[in-house]
This record gives sequence, structure tokens and C-alpha cells, in this order.
Amino acid sequence: GAVVSQHPSWVICKSGTSVKIECRSLDFQATTMFWYRQFPKKSLMLMATSNEGSKATYEQGVEKDKFLINHASLTLSTLTVTSAHPEDSSFYICSARDRGQGNIGYTFGSGTRLTVV
Amino acid sequence: DQQVKQNSPSLSVQEGRISILNCDYTNSMFDYFLWYKKYPAEGPTFLISISSIKDKNEDGRFTVFLNKSAKHLSLHIVPSQPGDSAVYFCAASQGYSGNTPLVFGKGTRLSVIA
Repeated sequence: GAVVSQHPSWVICKSGTSVKIECRSLDFQATTMFWYRQFPKKSLMLMATSNEGSKATYEQGVEKDKFLINHASLTLSTLTVTSAHPEDSSFYICSARDRGQGNIGYTFGSGTRLTVV
Repeated sequence: DQQVKQNSPSLSVQEGRISILNCDYTNSMFDYFLWYKKYPAEGPTFLISISSIKDKNEDGRFTVFLNKSAKHLSLHIVPSQPGDSAVYFCAASQGYSGNTPLVFGKGTRLSVIA
């Protein structure tokens, strides 16, 4: 089945530094990938839709300059948290759809636990 | 405004009994619904789905029921097993293009007690 690889699985960084999270579709091409964020005991909140070869579409309230998304190829999307602050600490998850699997093909990465100290 | 609601944050069930997880939605444009299971520090894994043209879909121990008029769906797990203990998210989508994201509920933590 479709596999989405997300890396790193966890990262601890200092305030003010930037962190890059990668999301790869391993056995299918994804023109669209989605980035979600989950706070403790909260739902998965969509942050942005990453489109291959074009600018990402951000949800209301998500800072474009803080959460940089690059979808340079059909198998890779990256999320960079710039100038990270403790309030950015969260669980970030990417998702992509393998069109060959119909609508059930929303596959998720394993997530990245970001802790900003 | 939350479009997908899971009003029960937690549920405890005895092993072997039926677990029923509920989900309500407000957006009548949603036409595909999915259930995901999530363990801590892991991404969600797909469990079962149902399209709006059906009212029931069954896969092994898992059955999803959809009541469009009530904008309500439920996931039944029978018999429940300790390994089913996880957080279950209800999700909805509009369209089949794959370019539309899923909208998630807040999740229900299921604990199956041996």
C-alpha cells in the first residue's frame, strides 16, 4: 500500500532556530500533500495544502512566513518552522493521497514531535 | 466553527463487548467519511470509510453507519479487543479529487479493558 515517510520523528531545538520536516511519498506520486498540526488532546488541524510546483495554500491563522512549505517534486514536501518559539512545540503530521487507491488513499506520515526549548 | 464533532472525548468498554463511537457533522457538502485510529506519537492509520451513497460499510470487526438526514455516523467495533485501545478520529471530505483535505473531529479515546 501507499507509504508516506516523515522525517524526523522528533526534534528538539532552541528558540530562534529553524527546523525542517520532510514528507515523502515512497511508492506513489502526490501532487498534493497536506500538513496538519495536533496539540495535546486536540484534533488534527489543517495548516496548509502543499501543491507540487506552486505555492502552498495556507489556512486562516497560519503564518506563511513562519511555516515555509516547499513541494519541489511529486514525492517530496517540506515544512520549515522558522525562528521557532516554545509555542510552536507540537506534533506535525503530513498526509498525501495515492489517487490509485481512490478516496481511501489518504495516507499519513508517522508525525514529527517538535519541542522548542 | 467545528464541522466535524466527536462529543465523547473518551469511552471505556469491556473486552468482548461492542464499542460504539459517534461522530456528527454540520457541512452537508461532505460526501465521504473516514475513521482513523491513532496511537500516541504516531500518524493516524486508516480504518474504514463510507461514501454518502451508502448507509453501512463493514470490514471485519468494524462497521460504520451513516445517517445522512441526521448528519451522524458511528463506528461499531465488535468484539472489542485490548489492542483496539487508541484514539479514534472521524474525518470527512468534500469530493473525491484528493485535492481537498480531510476535516477531523477531536477524537475519542477508546480504552478496552481486559
